[in-house]
Amino acid sequence: RKEVEQDPGPFNVPEGATVAFNCTYSNSASQSFFWYRQDCRKEPKLLMSVYSSGNEDGRFTAQLNRASQYISLLIRDSKLSDSATYLCVVAYNNNDMRFGAGTRLTVKP
Amino acid sequence: DAGVIQSPRHEVTEMGQEVTLRCKPISGHNSLFWYRQTMMRGLELLIYFNNNVPIDDSGMPEDRFSAKMPNASFSTLKIQPSEPRDSAVYFCASSLSGRPTNEKLFFGSGTQLSVL
Repeated sequence: RKEVEQDPGPFNVPEGATVAFNCTYSNSASQSFFWYRQDCRKEPKLLMSVYSSGNEDGRFTAQLNRASQYISLLIRDSKLSDSATYLCVVAYNNNDMRFGAGTRLTVKP
Repeated sequence: DAGVIQSPRHEVTEMGQEVTLRCKPISGHNSLFWYRQTMMRGLELLIYFNNNVPIDDSGMPEDRFSAKMPNASFSTLKIQPSEPRDSAVYFCASSLSGRPTNEKLFFGSGTQLSVL
Protein backbone atom coordinates (compact mmCIF):
# COMPACT_ATOMS: atom_id res chain seq x y z
CA ARG A 1 0.00 0.00 0.00
CA LYS A 2 1.33 3.43 -0.91
CA GLU A 3 2.06 5.83 1.93
CA VAL A 4 0.03 8.60 0.33
CA GLU A 5 -2.91 7.80 -1.93
CA GLN A 6 -4.91 10.10 -4.17
CA ASP A 7 -7.59 9.63 -6.78
CA PRO A 8 -5.64 10.26 -10.03
CA GLY A 9 -8.67 11.71 -11.80
CA PRO A 10 -8.86 13.32 -14.22
CA PHE A 11 -11.44 15.72 -12.92
CA ASN A 12 -13.01 17.70 -15.75
CA VAL A 13 -15.15 20.57 -14.49
CA PRO A 14 -16.66 23.72 -15.99
CA GLU A 15 -15.51 27.17 -14.95
CA GLY A 16 -17.14 28.29 -11.74
CA ALA A 17 -17.64 24.77 -10.41
CA THR A 18 -16.61 23.60 -6.98
CA VAL A 19 -14.33 20.59 -6.92
CA ALA A 20 -12.85 18.57 -4.05
CA PHE A 21 -9.85 16.28 -3.90
CA ASN A 22 -9.13 13.72 -1.24
CA CYS A 23 -5.95 12.15 0.02
CA THR A 24 -5.31 9.39 2.54
CA TYR A 25 -2.06 8.56 4.29
CA SER A 26 -0.99 5.38 6.01
CA ASN A 27 1.57 6.49 8.59
CA SER A 28 -0.02 7.86 11.75
CA ALA A 29 3.35 9.40 12.71
CA SER A 30 2.93 11.97 9.97
CA GLN A 31 3.58 15.46 11.28
CA SER A 32 2.74 17.98 8.59
CA PHE A 33 0.61 18.13 5.51
CA PHE A 34 0.63 20.18 2.34
CA TRP A 35 -0.94 20.56 -1.07
CA TYR A 36 1.37 21.24 -3.99
CA ARG A 37 0.41 22.20 -7.50
CA GLN A 38 2.24 21.00 -10.60
CA ASP A 39 1.65 22.41 -14.05
CA CYS A 40 2.41 20.33 -17.11
CA ARG A 41 6.15 19.89 -17.61
CA LYS A 42 6.93 22.11 -14.64
CA GLU A 43 8.15 21.56 -11.11
CA PRO A 44 5.79 21.22 -8.14
CA LYS A 45 5.11 24.37 -6.16
CA LEU A 46 3.57 24.78 -2.74
CA LEU A 47 -0.10 25.67 -2.88
CA MET A 48 -0.88 25.65 0.83
CA SER A 49 -0.14 23.97 4.11
CA VAL A 50 -2.88 22.01 5.85
CA TYR A 51 -3.56 22.75 9.50
CA SER A 52 -5.47 20.64 11.98
CA SER A 53 -8.20 23.24 12.34
CA GLY A 54 -8.60 23.58 8.60
CA ASN A 55 -7.49 26.62 6.67
CA GLU A 56 -8.56 28.76 3.78
CA ASP A 57 -6.67 30.76 1.19
CA GLY A 58 -9.02 32.62 -1.11
CA ARG A 59 -10.94 30.07 -3.13
CA PHE A 60 -8.97 27.17 -1.66
CA THR A 61 -9.85 25.34 1.55
CA ALA A 62 -7.78 22.55 3.06
CA GLN A 63 -8.86 20.21 5.82
CA LEU A 64 -7.21 17.50 7.87
CA ASN A 65 -8.76 14.61 9.73
CA ARG A 66 -6.02 12.92 11.76
CA ALA A 67 -8.33 10.24 13.15
CA SER A 68 -9.22 9.07 9.66
CA GLN A 69 -5.77 9.95 8.22
CA TYR A 70 -7.43 11.99 5.52
CA ILE A 71 -6.73 15.35 3.87
CA SER A 72 -8.90 17.30 1.49
CA LEU A 73 -8.64 20.29 -0.82
CA LEU A 74 -11.70 22.23 -1.96
CA ILE A 75 -11.56 24.67 -4.84
CA ARG A 76 -14.50 27.05 -5.21
CA ASP A 77 -15.39 29.05 -8.32
CA SER A 78 -12.77 27.22 -10.34
CA LYS A 79 -10.83 29.13 -13.00
CA LEU A 80 -9.23 27.96 -16.22
CA SER A 81 -5.87 28.70 -14.57
CA ASP A 82 -6.59 26.14 -11.86
CA SER A 83 -6.00 23.37 -14.40
CA ALA A 84 -3.02 21.43 -13.06
CA THR A 85 -2.10 18.35 -11.08
CA TYR A 86 -2.58 18.66 -7.33
CA LEU A 87 -0.19 16.72 -5.14
CA CYS A 88 -0.88 15.74 -1.56
CA VAL A 89 2.24 15.78 0.64
CA VAL A 90 2.76 14.14 4.01
CA ALA A 91 5.84 14.95 6.05
CA TYR A 92 7.55 13.44 9.07
CA ASN A 93 9.50 15.03 11.83
CA ASN A 94 12.85 14.41 10.17
CA ASN A 95 12.01 16.38 7.03
CA ASP A 96 11.12 13.26 5.09
CA MET A 97 8.38 14.41 2.71
CA ARG A 98 6.26 11.95 0.71
CA PHE A 99 4.14 12.89 -2.26
CA GLY A 100 0.95 11.35 -3.56
CA ALA A 101 0.76 10.54 -7.25
CA GLY A 102 -1.40 13.60 -7.85
CA THR A 103 -4.92 14.39 -9.01
CA ARG A 104 -5.28 15.96 -12.41
CA LEU A 105 -7.78 18.79 -12.80
CA THR A 106 -8.96 20.31 -16.05
CA VAL A 107 -11.23 23.34 -15.88
CA LYS A 108 -13.11 23.95 -19.12
CA PRO A 109 -14.78 27.09 -20.43
CA ASP B 1 17.54 34.45 -5.42
CA ALA B 2 18.16 32.16 -8.39
CA GLY B 3 16.24 29.28 -6.88
CA VAL B 4 17.28 25.64 -7.06
CA ILE B 5 19.40 25.09 -10.15
CA GLN B 6 19.59 21.73 -11.87
CA SER B 7 21.64 20.65 -14.81
CA PRO B 8 21.32 19.45 -17.42
CA ARG B 9 17.67 20.19 -18.30
CA HIS B 10 17.61 17.27 -20.70
CA GLU B 11 19.85 14.23 -20.98
CA VAL B 12 19.66 11.55 -23.64
CA THR B 13 22.03 8.65 -23.27
CA GLU B 14 22.46 5.05 -24.25
CA MET B 15 21.94 2.10 -21.99
CA GLY B 16 25.06 1.31 -20.00
CA GLN B 17 26.40 4.84 -19.93
CA GLU B 18 27.06 6.78 -16.75
CA VAL B 19 24.74 9.70 -16.05
CA THR B 20 25.43 12.50 -13.59
CA LEU B 21 22.76 14.95 -12.56
CA ARG B 22 23.68 18.11 -10.72
CA CYS B 23 21.94 20.36 -8.26
CA LYS B 24 22.68 23.66 -6.57
CA PRO B 25 20.28 24.33 -3.69
CA ILE B 26 19.12 27.75 -2.60
CA SER B 27 21.83 29.46 -0.58
CA GLY B 28 21.25 29.01 3.13
CA HIS B 29 19.00 25.98 2.76
CA ASN B 30 20.26 23.02 4.76
CA SER B 31 18.05 20.22 3.47
CA LEU B 32 18.30 18.79 -0.02
CA PHE B 33 16.08 16.18 -1.64
CA TRP B 34 16.29 14.12 -4.82
CA TYR B 35 12.99 12.96 -6.33
CA ARG B 36 12.15 10.95 -9.43
CA GLN B 37 8.85 11.37 -11.27
CA THR B 38 7.26 8.98 -13.75
CA MET B 39 3.73 8.59 -15.01
CA MET B 40 3.44 5.17 -13.44
CA ARG B 41 4.92 5.85 -10.01
CA GLY B 42 4.45 9.57 -9.49
CA LEU B 43 6.97 11.54 -7.45
CA GLU B 44 9.26 9.26 -5.47
CA LEU B 45 11.75 10.37 -2.85
CA LEU B 46 15.14 8.87 -3.64
CA ILE B 47 17.35 10.37 -0.95
CA TYR B 48 17.63 13.46 1.21
CA PHE B 49 20.40 15.25 3.04
CA ASN B 50 20.41 17.42 6.13
CA ASN B 51 23.49 19.61 6.53
CA ASN B 52 25.22 17.64 3.74
CA VAL B 53 24.70 14.33 5.52
CA PRO B 54 22.54 11.64 3.87
CA ILE B 55 19.64 10.91 6.19
CA ASP B 56 17.56 8.40 4.30
CA ASP B 57 18.53 6.70 1.06
CA SER B 58 15.96 3.92 1.27
CA GLY B 59 14.28 5.25 -1.86
CA MET B 60 17.36 4.74 -4.03
CA PRO B 61 16.30 1.97 -6.43
CA GLU B 62 19.47 -0.06 -6.42
CA ASP B 63 23.24 0.07 -6.26
CA ARG B 64 23.43 1.67 -9.66
CA PHE B 65 22.25 4.89 -8.05
CA SER B 66 24.44 7.01 -5.81
CA ALA B 67 24.20 10.56 -4.48
CA LYS B 68 26.70 12.87 -2.89
CA MET B 69 26.66 16.27 -1.29
CA PRO B 70 30.28 17.35 -0.85
CA ASN B 71 29.30 20.82 0.36
CA ALA B 72 26.28 22.93 1.16
CA SER B 73 25.98 24.31 -2.35
CA PHE B 74 26.26 21.24 -4.54
CA SER B 75 24.87 17.74 -4.91
CA THR B 76 25.07 15.04 -7.57
CA LEU B 77 22.96 12.04 -8.40
CA LYS B 78 24.79 9.42 -10.44
CA ILE B 79 23.45 6.41 -12.29
CA GLN B 80 26.00 3.85 -13.43
CA PRO B 81 25.22 1.95 -15.57
CA SER B 82 22.02 3.53 -16.79
CA GLU B 83 19.05 1.47 -18.02
CA PRO B 84 15.96 2.39 -20.07
CA ARG B 85 13.75 2.01 -16.99
CA ASP B 86 15.65 4.89 -15.39
CA SER B 87 14.03 7.26 -17.86
CA ALA B 88 12.13 9.85 -15.83
CA VAL B 89 12.21 13.44 -14.65
CA TYR B 90 14.59 13.87 -11.75
CA PHE B 91 13.88 16.78 -9.41
CA CYS B 92 16.12 18.30 -6.81
CA ALA B 93 14.53 20.32 -4.01
CA SER B 94 15.81 22.23 -1.02
CA SER B 95 14.37 23.66 2.15
CA LEU B 96 15.42 25.51 5.24
CA SER B 97 14.87 23.01 7.99
CA GLY B 98 14.68 24.48 11.40
CA ARG B 99 11.20 23.68 12.49
CA PRO B 100 10.83 20.25 10.96
CA THR B 101 8.58 19.89 7.96
CA ASN B 102 7.01 23.29 8.26
CA GLU B 103 9.35 24.78 5.73
CA LYS B 104 8.47 25.23 2.12
CA LEU B 105 10.10 22.84 -0.33
CA PHE B 106 11.58 24.58 -3.38
CA PHE B 107 12.05 22.49 -6.50
CA GLY B 108 14.42 22.89 -9.38
CA SER B 109 13.14 22.68 -12.94
CA GLY B 110 14.11 19.04 -13.16
CA THR B 111 16.25 16.95 -15.48
CA GLN B 112 14.42 14.98 -18.14
CA LEU B 113 16.44 11.78 -18.56
CA SER B 114 15.94 9.46 -21.49
CA VAL B 115 17.94 6.24 -21.61
CA LEU B 116 17.75 4.55 -25.00
